[in-house]
Amino acid sequence: KNEVEQSPQNLTAQEGEFITINCSYSVGISALHWLQQHPGGGIVSLFMLSSGKKKHGRLIATINIQEKHSSLHITASHPRDSAVYICAVALNNAGNMLTFGGGTRLMVKP
Amino acid sequence: EAGVAQSPRYKIIEKRQSVAFWCNPISGHATLYWYQQILGQGPKLLIQFQNNGVVDDSQLPKDRFSAERLKGVDSTLKIQPAKLEDSAVYLCASSLTSRTNYEQYFGPGTRLTVT
Repeated sequence: KNEVEQSPQNLTAQEGEFITINCSYSVGISALHWLQQHPGGGIVSLFMLSSGKKKHGRLIATINIQEKHSSLHITASHPRDSAVYICAVALNNAGNMLTFGGGTRLMVKP
Repeated sequence: EAGVAQSPRYKIIEKRQSVAFWCNPISGHATLYWYQQILGQGPKLLIQFQNNGVVDDSQLPKDRFSAERLKGVDSTLKIQPAKLEDSAVYLCASSLTSRTNYEQYFGPGTRLTVT
């Protein structure tokens, strides 16, 4: 079993829809990262969080440490949000070395 | 501030050939990572450097993969000889330090195809 599981693996939405991507992990962590990867492009960090909730524009990330679960929400989705979204965790006592989930491939149709 | 640079962006080789990838991290970043990302999967750490020393290379297939960061700045990852299953994107990332809560910055990656 992977230490970091994401769901769904693939997601297709219509422009304007509210999107939720989930991440569950099975180990103690010091931080959780949400990352975005466009086709053919590198990886961009969206959020780094260790508790509570963060918001940036139309993106919201939440984490529940007790339940070992995090969600990434996209409000008013747009075709340019189409990308792979990756959850990664920094394990306790491992500094900022990351363990990655398998990613969620999102396609937003106009 | 310039980002993490990688070259080449794309490489096609035949199996059993050798290949090398180069990474130049963000200036001043002490920690450098090499990841392998197979299509449809998340990145997997191959090796982590702190300055010119190796912190973790437990998932590096040392019979065919090698990496160095001799002067603690740029780094080279080599595969010799390549196998079909090495086809992947090789990502380099850097961070200011290896301490918790310091963000990693990723390069654009090198897409390797082994035929």
